[in-house]
Amino acid sequence: AQSVTQPDIHITVSEGASLELRCNYSYGATPYLFWYVQSPGQGLQLLLKYFSGDTLVQGIKGFEAEFKRSQSSFNLRKPSVHWSDAAEYFCAVGAGETSGSRLTFGEGTQLTVNP
Amino acid sequence: DTGVSQDPRHKITKRGQNVTFRCDPISEHNRLYWYRQTLGQGPEFLTYFQNEAQLEKSRLLSDRFSAERPKGSFSTLEIQRTEQGDSAMYLCASSLYFNEQFFGPGTRLTVL
Repeated sequence: AQSVTQPDIHITVSEGASLELRCNYSYGATPYLFWYVQSPGQGLQLLLKYFSGDTLVQGIKGFEAEFKRSQSSFNLRKPSVHWSDAAEYFCAVGAGETSGSRLTFGEGTQLTVNP
Repeated sequence: DTGVSQDPRHKITKRGQNVTFRCDPISEHNRLYWYRQTLGQGPEFLTYFQNEAQLEKSRLLSDRFSAERPKGSFSTLEIQRTEQGDSAMYLCASSLYFNEQFFGPGTRLTVL
């Protein structure tokens, strides 16, 4: 069965600082990996996805993530955080057609941005 | 550009009552998913449709839950005899085959 671990429940950074959110997945084959962001009381917005190819993927709002198969990781990064980035971030893994394309999410990382 | 919409956004009900939620996916998307999210947790998969066929159901979907997508467009999720443990955010998402899923704003259910 697939699973996702986000080790950091809550992260606080200062505005303008760099950010890295960790994500580790468990899946036997090549995973499909996603990062979503959720603002309070809202649905989820897709930041970026990895299906295949280049292991460094660019997303919206200046985010990027790197797929490292050897470490079973898909960490999210941003070089300079803005106050509007404060939200909850979810990493998700999909196993493709073999699982009906359902997503398995981590428990999320809450990001606080200090001025 | 119309995204995924859900109705209602909030629902408060008493234990034992039935509730029904509606989801309208992005028009050209053939797959529709339901997830449940409780406070402090990530979304958990409930079920999904490809066109009008319900192809997979999670063990989380007890007999009190039923979902339909009668014409392959909008979908409804009904919970019968609600329990306090059903209180959660119910999220709908849609996709075109296996591609990224786009989520709606969710329906927050509170069972008193």
